[in-house]
Amino acid sequence: EDQVTQSPEALRLQEGESSSLNCSYTVSGLRGLFWYRQDPGKGPEFLFTLYSAGEEKEKERLKATLTKKESFLHITAPKPEDSATYLCAVQPGNTNAGKSTFGDGTTLTVKP
Amino acid sequence: DVKVTQSSRYLVKRTGEKVFLECVQDMDHENMFWYRQDPGLGLRLIYFSYDVKMKEKGDIPEGYSVSREKKERFSLILESASTNQTSMYLCASSYTDGGYGYTFGSGTRLTVV
Repeated sequence: EDQVTQSPEALRLQEGESSSLNCSYTVSGLRGLFWYRQDPGKGPEFLFTLYSAGEEKEKERLKATLTKKESFLHITAPKPEDSATYLCAVQPGNTNAGKSTFGDGTTLTVKP
Repeated sequence: DVKVTQSSRYLVKRTGEKVFLECVQDMDHENMFWYRQDPGLGLRLIYFSYDVKMKEKGDIPEGYSVSREKKERFSLILESASTNQTSMYLCASSYTDGGYGYTFGSGTRLTVV
């Protein structure tokens, strides 16, 4: 069974204080690992897809990396507007209909 | 801008009512999904569909059914609403292989009283 574990559950940072969110996974032949951002009361918004170990993707202050067992979302010099819940999901290679398994998320709060 | 549109942002229904949640996507995606999201339980898959008239059960299908008569529309039906179905319901869509991730709707917050 595919599993995704995210840590920490919650993270509080001061503005400008860089940190990382972790996503550990077990999956039957990874097709893709996805990161999403979710603001309160809204649906998740797609951020990145990573396909193979060693791959990195960047968007503004966010950088996602991937190994064979985990992914990290690095946040450099965060701002209050980066406050959100960040979700990780994996898609196995043998899935029907592109079905993904989601982690429970990390809720990030950035204080000014 | 590509979109997944859910018909209602907030709904209040009575126990025992039949409830319809509608979802429409304009991206010509093959796959469509219904999730519910509850505090501490994360996103749980109810049903998904990979083609018109095709559907498969997710992790928590009990008490729900779905309909996909057209490619762009995926409906979730609560046959007889119960208070434990009070939740945030999220619709999503993706291309066949899912490689570009999901596009989610804004969600419907359903309260069953």
